Amino acid sequence: NAGVTQTPKFRILKIGQSMTLQCTQDMNHNYMYWYRQDPGMGLKLIYYSVGAGITDKGEVPNGYNVSRSTTEDFPLRLELAAPSQTSVYFCASSPETANTGELFFGEGSRLTVL
Amino acid sequence: AQSVAQPEDQVNVAEGNPLTVKCTYSVSGNPYLFWYVQYPNRGLQFLLKYITGDNLVKGSYGFEAEFNKSQTSFHLKKPSALVSDSALYFCAVRGMNTGFQKLVFGTGTRLLVSP
Repeated sequence: NAGVTQTPKFRILKIGQSMTLQCTQDMNHNYMYWYRQDPGMGLKLIYYSVGAGITDKGEVPNGYNVSRSTTEDFPLRLELAAPSQTSVYFCASSPETANTGELFFGEGSRLTVL
Repeated sequence: AQSVAQPEDQVNVAEGNPLTVKCTYSVSGNPYLFWYVQYPNRGLQFLLKYITGDNLVKGSYGFEAEFNKSQTSFHLKKPSALVSDSALYFCAVRGMNTGFQKLVFGTGTRLLVSP
């Protein structure tokens, strides 16, 4: 069972570069999320999606973009990397947002912007 | 607005002793409460949840949590700690009538269990 898979696991970017963090899930979940985790700050929601073709902003969306062309994939795009985007990024999924079940997380992507 | 407080950055306990990781919350209406655990270089894993019913909730790996509505708390407990329980623990809350996009995480508590 693959669950939620994120790539790459590690990446170093220079200021102003662009990149895409990939996320795919094989559980046929409708809802997918991108979080960032900073030391001592817990997890902050960047973007989420309630299904293919539908995305919405979370708490900290500035500097990021997402797309959801299929149920399985939810890539996160950084257009002009800034040092403030140095963080660990987690993708997660859930069967439905009103469900009382849990989120399923990927193993994370550690991004450093220099 | 929803919020979660984990007042301890780190909890130290000896193996075999009971452990408690504290969490208090603020939410409009009835809460859905969750505990997640994060091992080094891994994603968060679900431990347990409180939705409704019995105030004592049992979860994975022998952990349990007690929901206390009057104190707005949801402390995580385990009767006998293991060295392998050492990890980062997150409490999270959302209101009953909101979705997971409204889930708020605490800042995390690092549990260190010594042999």
